[in-house]
Amino acid sequence: AQSVTQLDSQVPVFEEAPVELRCNYSSSVSVYLFWYVQYPNQGLQLLLKYLSGSTLVKGINGFEAEFNKSQTSFHLRKPSVHISDTAEYFCAVRANNDMRFGAGTRLTVKP
Amino acid sequence: GAVVSQHPSRVICKSGTSVKIECRSLDFQATTMFWYRQFPKQSLMLMATSNEGSKATYEQGVEKDKFLINHASLTLSTLTVTSAHPEDSSFYICSARDPGGGDEQFFGPGTRLTVL
Repeated sequence: AQSVTQLDSQVPVFEEAPVELRCNYSSSVSVYLFWYVQYPNQGLQLLLKYLSGSTLVKGINGFEAEFNKSQTSFHLRKPSVHISDTAEYFCAVRANNDMRFGAGTRLTVKP
Repeated sequence: GAVVSQHPSRVICKSGTSVKIECRSLDFQATTMFWYRQFPKQSLMLMATSNEGSKATYEQGVEKDKFLINHASLTLSTLTVTSAHPEDSSFYICSARDPGGGDEQFFGPGTRLTVL
């Protein structure tokens, strides 16, 4: 089965600074890749996804991610974060009908 | 995007009772729904995959007799936690796949279960 590793459990940054949340995956078959955001006591909201085509994927709220097949990575980036971006971020990989999640990265944006 | 609802959003029950959580796809028909469990500050763990009209497929380590899943229609799946205990307290999230919407998976808002 596929697996996902989010390399940072917590990422503190200052407002308007750039941020990168790292995600690596492993799978023996081709996969689809996703990033979700979760606010406290809420479900998951899709930020962006990679299915095929261009390896640079743009999502909502100014986020983007780049699929790197050789490094099996799908890192999430934002050039300038806001206080409202403080949340938990999950990377997920889907192979066939099976979606697996990383452990999550807590992004805290400080004023 | 498509909408998935869950009811209730929060439930508190006494140990030994059973609790039913509903998951509905509001504007699409979902042949496949998923149930996840999330402990505080942890990731989502897949509990089971539910296919309409057939038995659910449970992940290893998940007790099918304790977590009863019914997917009786294309828009509704239910998770019943039977004889709940405090260790069953958790955040339960359902997800539904939209076959007509690029097969994307949409998530419900979650249900916070607290067993006293």
